[in-house]
Amino acid sequence: DSGVTQTPKHLITATGQRVTLRCSPRSGDLSVYWYQQSLDQGLQFLIQYYNGEERAKGNILERFSAQQFPDLHSELNLSSLELGDSALYFCASSVGVTSGNTIYFGEGSWLTVV
Amino acid sequence: AQKITQTQPGMFVQEKEAVTLDCTYDTSDPSYGLFWYKQPSSGEMIFLIYQGSYDQQNATEGRYSLNFQKARKSANLVISASQLGDSAMYFCAINEQGAQKLVFGQGTRLTINP
Repeated sequence: DSGVTQTPKHLITATGQRVTLRCSPRSGDLSVYWYQQSLDQGLQFLIQYYNGEERAKGNILERFSAQQFPDLHSELNLSSLELGDSALYFCASSVGVTSGNTIYFGEGSWLTVV
Repeated sequence: AQKITQTQPGMFVQEKEAVTLDCTYDTSDPSYGLFWYKQPSSGEMIFLIYQGSYDQQNATEGRYSLNFQKARKSANLVISASQLGDSAMYFCAINEQGAQKLVFGQGTRLTINP
């Protein structure tokens, strides 16, 4: 158990819908990352927050948004869903933002868009 | 250029043998961290081992060790005395100080045969 909690574990939804994925980081971790893993793209970095502020942005679509709340949990919002958004979405956390911080992953949220 | 290259898409090893999974990286940042993660078929991403760019010693964690050759920009994972439960995808990743994110390779699928 990494200590990073993600909900829901599995989600099936229709095209055009909106979903919210939730993440609680490890106790004491201030930094939260979101990753998308699909068969064709591999593991793609989406976005990072540190103590409530956005720190880095990757290949995140405009239809997707995220935020980190004062209690440090984070949510990833996916809207106008398309079939191609079906993927495993990971949240990860670390203590800080230096290259030496170990980044721990949650178990992931499996999203299927039908 | 690829940040992380894992040249072995798949490997098959007999139980109890040692196995080396290859990883080469590309960075101009003098400060970086190298990580290995294991992803079993259930999907979770499990942290295995970390090596910092300034670390003088090769990292070890139980049966896992990292053969870090900085001049060659390689960070191979060595698993000693392999077990059936080691069958999984293995990902090498780099976290550059300036990038604030982990960049993953394409992974190596390891299968341990009894």
